[in-house]
Amino acid sequence: DAGITQSPRHKVTETGTPVTLRCHQTENHRYMYWYRQDPGHGLRLIHYSYGVKDTDKGEVSDGYSVSRSKTEDFLLTLESATSSQTSVYFCAIKAGLAGVEQFFGPGTRLTVL
Amino acid sequence: AQKVTQAQTEISVVEKEDVTLDCVYETRDTTYYLFWYKQPPSGELVFLIRRNSFDEQNEISGRYSWNFQKSTSSFNFTITASQVVDSAVYFCALSDITQGGSEKLVFGKGTKLTVNP
Repeated sequence: DAGITQSPRHKVTETGTPVTLRCHQTENHRYMYWYRQDPGHGLRLIHYSYGVKDTDKGEVSDGYSVSRSKTEDFLLTLESATSSQTSVYFCAIKAGLAGVEQFFGPGTRLTVL
Repeated sequence: AQKVTQAQTEISVVEKEDVTLDCVYETRDTTYYLFWYKQPPSGELVFLIRRNSFDEQNEISGRYSWNFQKSTSSFNFTITASQVVDSAVYFCALSDITQGGSEKLVFGKGTKLTVNP
């Protein structure tokens, strides 16, 4: 158990509304990641963080922003949700014996109507 | 750009059969990591294994084994004597090796394995 929680676990929202997903970790890991999983696409990286207030874009960052004001929390914000952002969102941390494996949270299922 | 191809979208086997899941990758990096993850029907992602590009030794863990061949850019996963509990989607992934860095993962699209009793 990598001590990662995500909230909410499920959310239904309407197009145009802002949405914030939270990833919380309890083990002081430096690196945190947000991925989205869609049928036929596997998982794709949205944004990642390499420290407090240090973030960078991933492969599919358009329409998303992130913030990390403290080590344990990494927030993903959809400023104005669209139906194309309906997906399952996974947060991950980097840890493991060599410090390079990524361990994932339980996921958040987001539906944008 | 890095790319991971899992050509088998779905595989169905009968319990106790052996099954191999294929993974082919593309990268310009000379050093990199390869990973396999399992996603059971409950939806969580479970880390299975990591290999370094400079270590081509195959690995066995119980009924699971992994065959890494740098010459063919492949990192295949074999389940011996499959069981119903092996039913899941399996993802192969690739990342660069960045000293103290972010090691972003690039995933294949996954192979859905169904093991029938």
